[in-house]
Amino acid sequence: EVQLVESGGALVQPGGSLRLSCAASGFTLSSYWMHWVRQPPGKGLVWVSRISDGGGSTTYADSVKGRFAISRDNAKNILYLQMNSLRAEDTAVYYCVRDFGANRMDVWGQGTTVTVS
Amino acid sequence: QSALTQPASVSGSPGQSITISCTGTSSDIGAYNYVSWFQQHPGKAPKLIIYEVSSRPSGVPDRFSGSKSGNTASLTISGLQADDEGDYYCSSYRSGATLVVFGGGTKLTVL
Repeated sequence: EVQLVESGGALVQPGGSLRLSCAASGFTLSSYWMHWVRQPPGKGLVWVSRISDGGGSTTYADSVKGRFAISRDNAKNILYLQMNSLRAEDTAVYYCVRDFGANRMDVWGQGTTVTVS
Repeated sequence: QSALTQPASVSGSPGQSITISCTGTSSDIGAYNYVSWFQQHPGKAPKLIIYEVSSRPSGVPDRFSGSKSGNTASLTISGLQADDEGDYYCSSYRSGATLVVFGGGTKLTVL
């Protein structure tokens, strides 16, 4: 079964740091570009970051640029999101998402909750 | 404020059809045929139901269809069923710094 499982969400104080992980199973992570998408409580989806299949290309939303870093370990089949200088507005459920190509976000994890307070 | 504009809510009776619009700009919907739609039930992760404007992933019923005209994309659900109730989000590639944009979401109520 193709699956993504996020972990690492927690309650953290403003200014703190957190690293999210996303374990992939049922497919070869190294074959796909990957995204992080977040959803603040009671609100809509917001794209956060994308990484190329080999990890050499990364892109960020302006709201997290310079504070967040996306990375991957294809040997371990794990995607990461390092979050620094956290703010209250970063509070959200964070989803890792597989990109099949052409904005075809076809596999989503169950999400992990980050609360900054 | 979301980058793509969707109606906050729509409703319909079982068996009826509804359409949800998603309006963007010439930098996103108008520039690319990379529009996707997602369905989200409460407490669950989003599910891809339409990609590349009008294509359906395996397992998604043909009651769901997508289209695009200019800077506006649309999702139509025909033969409404109770299980269709939930939130629907559109998404598009965008040229420039923000790679992917989403709509604010539309809550579908099946009466």
